[in-house]
Amino acid sequence: GQQVMQIPQYQHVQEGEDFTTYCNSSTTLSNIQWYKQRPGGHPVFLIQLVKSGEVKKQKRLTFQFGEAKKNSSLHITATQTTDVGTYFCAGRRNMRFGAGTRLTVKP
Amino acid sequence: GAGVSQTPSNKVTEKGKYVELRCDPISGHTALYWYRQSLGQGPEFLIYFQGTGAADDSGLPNDRFFAVRPEGSVSTLKIQRTERGDSAVYLCASSLIGAGPGELFFGEGSRLTVL
Repeated sequence: GQQVMQIPQYQHVQEGEDFTTYCNSSTTLSNIQWYKQRPGGHPVFLIQLVKSGEVKKQKRLTFQFGEAKKNSSLHITATQTTDVGTYFCAGRRNMRFGAGTRLTVKP
Repeated sequence: GAGVSQTPSNKVTEKGKYVELRCDPISGHTALYWYRQSLGQGPEFLIYFQGTGAADDSGLPNDRFFAVRPEGSVSTLKIQRTERGDSAVYLCASSLIGAGPGELFFGEGSRLTVL
């Protein structure tokens, strides 16, 4: 079935540095969702991408959906300690989650 | 309440025992999902209900796991003959299909520990 792979597994950055996580699928995705899970918390929805090549922004977060709809990325500009957590992508059709990218930020 | 409610929040049991975990979704949400999450891992899909029926149960690891949603609202995940490897946080999520992005709203989870 449809699986999504995420890289990197871990990312440690200095506060103020940028961060990017990538989500790749072996099959074409109808759409993709991104979630954030804070330590000790549950996943919280961030955004959904539907169109080929779509780019959406939420303050310092930029989400992209690839032209072939097989990959997606999340980029955070100038990370803050509040960005700490694990970021997951999931294909909307069957809601299988990737393994996530765990972000830690050093103040 | 306004969110997804899961009970119990914590369950400690002995190997071989039977366990039930309950999920009360957001009112009006027809889609309900069960996941389990081990430390440092992503949510592992178990089963998806659309209304009362299991639309996709391909994630259930074996026949010791079973889930029901008899009236299309509350769901119960049942685990028979628990094993130590079943220890994890079991997450439930609900979604409103057909309106908006259909994002998943997660409960706080039920942490299961099998001794």
